[in-house]
Amino acid sequence: GAGVSQSPSNKVTEKGKDVELRCDPISGHTALYWYRQSLGQGLEFLIYFQGNSAPDKSGLPSDRFSAERTGGSVSTLTIQRTQQEDSAVYLCASSSGRRTYGSPLHFGNGTRLTVT
Amino acid sequence: QKEVEQNSGPLSVPEGAIASLNCTYSDRGSQSFFWYRQYSGKSPELIMSIYSNGDKEDGRFTAQLNKASQYVSLLIRDSQPSDSATYLCAVNQENQGGKLIFGQGTELSVKP
Repeated sequence: GAGVSQSPSNKVTEKGKDVELRCDPISGHTALYWYRQSLGQGLEFLIYFQGNSAPDKSGLPSDRFSAERTGGSVSTLTIQRTQQEDSAVYLCASSSGRRTYGSPLHFGNGTRLTVT
Repeated sequence: QKEVEQNSGPLSVPEGAIASLNCTYSDRGSQSFFWYRQYSGKSPELIMSIYSNGDKEDGRFTAQLNKASQYVSLLIRDSQPSDSATYLCAVNQENQGGKLIFGQGTELSVKP
């Protein structure tokens, strides 16, 4: 596609429910990233994929958070037993991965998650 | 010490002036540096990338990098009200793959 696509754009869920967030990266981009941005805060790194592998999961806040990527393309971020502190905008980004050190990231429009 | 530091602002400049945004980083091995613009309620948008010491110009934007001082800046010439946004500095650290570490952002307000 022309850009990074995320769905849903908004998600309201009750505390304790599980949610799945989806990201479809730019076609041909091998690297995919998940970040989280709480209200008025900077971007917090969660996890990144190179192909289907996740070399760096260091930012996942707890074991309630998991992510996978299949076919080197679409990724899903799953949050189990959601808590109110999970409320944030979840941003997905992709990059071509052509540079050894840091290709630019291109962001999707994000999923705004509200846990009530 | 935060890995990437920016003044949170708000930075207020009159229309037509030069806006100067600054960023320092802690990892001396960092190789790649980016500036993103984020309008309220929107996602970050890449505006500049810089990889070597010196200046890089693109239209009204100039990025400046000084690796010895661990400092990167963004100058916006002839600032316009449409430049009002939060500007995020992002750094790729050594041995971190493609992951970018972001600063907290500087809010810029350009007054007509």
